[in-house]
Amino acid sequence: GAVVSQHPSRVICKSGTSVKIECRSLDFQATTMFWYRQFPKQSLMLMATSNEGSKATYEQGVEKDKFLINHASLTLSTLTVTSAHPEDSSFYICSAIGNVAYNEQFFGPGTRLTVL
Amino acid sequence: DQQVKQNSPSLSVQEGRISILNCDYTNSMFDYFLWYKKYPAEGPTFLISISSIKDKNEDGRFTVFLNKSAKHLSLHIVPSQPGDSAVYFCAASGKSSGDKLTFGTGTRLAVRP
Repeated sequence: GAVVSQHPSRVICKSGTSVKIECRSLDFQATTMFWYRQFPKQSLMLMATSNEGSKATYEQGVEKDKFLINHASLTLSTLTVTSAHPEDSSFYICSAIGNVAYNEQFFGPGTRLTVL
Repeated sequence: DQQVKQNSPSLSVQEGRISILNCDYTNSMFDYFLWYKKYPAEGPTFLISISSIKDKNEDGRFTVFLNKSAKHLSLHIVPSQPGDSAVYFCAASGKSSGDKLTFGTGTRLAVRP
């Protein structure tokens, strides 16, 4: 149990386009989802925290108008990278906590975004 | 400002021996610490955690030690196995893993057969 999926696993897009990444909790209800970004050989950096039905809380330095987060249901959160640029190329990972294993975060497999 | 640091980017250990991965933190408000294992192009997998009220937690081959006065924790893997080869991240949070996590920079462990 406690599986988190992400779609797509890999995406390549042109500069200036928008890309949507989905994060789903498959077998539990996720009250909170987190979005992280990892650059090569660097740490996972928290971008934002989203709670179902409310606006996401963004970390300092993360542009909320560029990285749109929607947590419309208890099993789905989406991250949209708007007007993507090559510097947005990274590995994006979501995690979720919910009604299983009190307060433990379960991570998705990640999405590799490459912006040409 | 890297609040959680793993000063060794890589570690190589012979199979069967002990692997010791270290982690230091600067924020005294951190109250809960975790270790994750990560393969390339995959999300982190939880290994073991410890709260600040303890100084040791053991789970099979994995033991985490916490020295709160030194703001230092370590992960011991014994005996090390080739399947343990991965990148290991330590992470810290306020009260539980349900709070936002601050990750270290990771240590790549290679276990030689």
